[in-house]
Amino acid sequence: DSGVTQTPKHLITATGQRVTLRCSPRSGDLSVYWYQQSLDQGLQFLIQYYNGEERAKGNILERFSAQQFPDLHSELNLSSLELGDSALYFCASSVGRAQGTIYGYTFGSGTRLTVV
Amino acid sequence: AQTVTQSQPEMSVQEAETVTLSCTYDTSENNYYLFWYKQPPSRQMILVIRQEAYKQQNATENRFSVNFQKAAKSFSLKISDSQLGDTAMYFCAFMIVKDKIIFGKGTRLHILP
Repeated sequence: DSGVTQTPKHLITATGQRVTLRCSPRSGDLSVYWYQQSLDQGLQFLIQYYNGEERAKGNILERFSAQQFPDLHSELNLSSLELGDSALYFCASSVGRAQGTIYGYTFGSGTRLTVV
Repeated sequence: AQTVTQSQPEMSVQEAETVTLSCTYDTSENNYYLFWYKQPPSRQMILVIRQEAYKQQNATENRFSVNFQKAAKSFSLKISDSQLGDTAMYFCAFMIVKDKIIFGKGTRLHILP
C-alpha cells in the first residue's frame, strides 16, 4: 500500500456520461497530480494541485476538471465521456512542490475507466 | 519544452542476465531530476531509482544502477542479475525543479525463465 488511495478501482460507463474519480493523498502530502495513461502508452500529465490551489495544467480537455478539497483529497471530474477517454487514471502525491523533485511522486493504484 | 525518449519499445532477456534500458531527454535547464519507474502487470507505478542532475556520481539501488551522461542527456538503467519479478514496463521520467514529472513512452521488459 503506497498510502495514496484512489477510488473506484474500476469504472464502466456509457458515452456521454459524467464520472468522478477520487484520490486521497499520502498523509502529510500537500501536492496532488493527475495523470492519464491510455492503453500501452506513457503517462500524460493532466493537472496539479497544491494545498487546495491549482498549480499546473497539462493537456487536460475542457470536459475534464478537478479540485482539491480542504482535507487535501482531490476529485477528477470527467464529463461528456467519449470512447477515447477509456484509460487508466493515476493520482500521485508529494509533500510539496520542492520535495516532489527529490523523492519523486507516490502513486495510487489507479482507476481504470472504460467507456462503452 | 522538455521531452523524454525511450527508443526501445520492448526487450527480452534471460533470467540472471544483465539488461540496459536506454533513455534520452532534452532540456535547456541545468537543475533537474531523473527517475526510472517500474509498472508491473498490477499497473502500480513504483519508483526504482532517481538521480539528481547536479550529482556526477551514478545512483545505485541494489541490482539497479544508472549511467547518467549529462552532456549527452542520456540516462540509462542497468538491471543486474535480472529476476522474473523484474518483468514490467519501465518508464524514464524527467522533472525540473518545482514542476511536473514528464514520462517517456516506456520500455516493456520481459525476463524469460
